[in-house]
Amino acid sequence: GAVVSQHPSRVICKSGTSVKIECRSLDFQATTMFWYRQFPKQSLMLMATSNEGSKATYEQGVEKDKFLINHASLTLSTLTVTSAHPEDSSFYICSAMDSLGTDTQYFGPGTRLTVL
Amino acid sequence: AQSVTQPDIHITVSEGASLELRCNYSYGATPYLFWYVQSPGQGLQLLLKYFSGDTLVQGIKGFEAEFKRSQSSFNLRKPSVHWSDAAEYFCAVSFTGNQFYFGTGTSLTVIP
Repeated sequence: GAVVSQHPSRVICKSGTSVKIECRSLDFQATTMFWYRQFPKQSLMLMATSNEGSKATYEQGVEKDKFLINHASLTLSTLTVTSAHPEDSSFYICSAMDSLGTDTQYFGPGTRLTVL
Repeated sequence: AQSVTQPDIHITVSEGASLELRCNYSYGATPYLFWYVQSPGQGLQLLLKYFSGDTLVQGIKGFEAEFKRSQSSFNLRKPSVHWSDAAEYFCAVSFTGNQFYFGTGTSLTVIP
């Protein structure tokens, strides 16, 4: 149980284009999902907290107009990187917290974004 | 400010040897404590967690961790390491059940 998927697992795009990453909780309902960014050999950096049906809460320094987050259902959150630039290249990981109050985050396998 | 420290950036052990990965946190109250493992290019997998109760917690893959309140520590242990345990290990704490704070990670190399 508690499986989280991400799609795509790897994406390469041209500078200036937008990329959408999906995060799904497959066998549980997630009222809260999180988006992280991870640079090589570093820890995870929380970008935003996404609650179903409401606006995401962004961490300081994260541009909400650049990283659009939508959490339209209890099993799906999307992160759209708008007008991507090479510096946006990174490993993006989502996590989901179930609605049963276990206070545990379950992580997706990550999405490797490369912006040319 | 809350913080999580993993003092060891990189550890190398021989296969079959015992392992201990250190994790310390700074905060007044007892947080929720987690250990995750990340294989290259993969997401994080939950190994174990501590919320309350018995301070020795058993996890998956033969791992265990012990919460020591007096030392603000939550060290991860395994009595006999396997080559497949080579990965990055992250300690995380949560004080609200929502926001997680991650350590910088410890990279484990296993020598045959």
